[in-house]
Amino acid sequence: AQSVSQHNHHVILSEAASLELGCNYSYGGTVNLFWYVQYPGQHLQLLLKYFSGDPLVKGIKGFEAEFIKSKFSFNLRKPSVQWSDTAEYFCAVSSGTYKYIFGTGTRLKVLA
Amino acid sequence: NAGVTQTPKFQVLKTGQSMTLQCAQDMNHEYMSWYRQDPGMGLRLIHYSVGAGITDQGEVPNGYNVSRSTTEDFPLRLLSAAPSQTSVYFCASSKDRDGQPQHFGDGTRLSIL
Repeated sequence: AQSVSQHNHHVILSEAASLELGCNYSYGGTVNLFWYVQYPGQHLQLLLKYFSGDPLVKGIKGFEAEFIKSKFSFNLRKPSVQWSDTAEYFCAVSSGTYKYIFGTGTRLKVLA
Repeated sequence: NAGVTQTPKFQVLKTGQSMTLQCAQDMNHEYMSWYRQDPGMGLRLIHYSVGAGITDQGEVPNGYNVSRSTTEDFPLRLLSAAPSQTSVYFCASSKDRDGQPQHFGDGTRLSIL
């Protein structure tokens, strides 16, 4: 069965620090990969997605993620975080069968 | 456009009661899904639908029923509420054939006493 692991449950950074959130999945076949963000009091929004092609994917608000097939990873990065990036971030995977598996989330707090 | 609308936003039930969580979208999306969000567990797929008249189970379907009589509506029914069903429930829709959740509702916070 597919699964998604986000090992960082809570991350605290100062503004302008660089961010990398880990995401590993377990599935041997072709996968589609996603990062979602949930700002306080809001519903989930799609940050970026990977289906195929260039393994470095750029999303909204300066976020990017790199798909490394050999490591079954899809880590989220941002060179310089802002206070407004404080949110919960979810990695998700799908094998294209309409079933999307979400990770447990990483709560990011950015200190002003 | 209203997007994905969920009602109610909050609900408290007693164990054994039944209720229906409503979800409606006005974007003519074929794919709709229900998730529950619990602390430390992320979102878990309950049921999904790829079009009117077609539904299927997700990761945690037990205790829930769905139906999809129209493209717009995808209600989630709790047959006999249990405390373990206390959670925040999100409905999502997608225009893509792969069903990728693109639009989420604001959620329903449900407490079972």
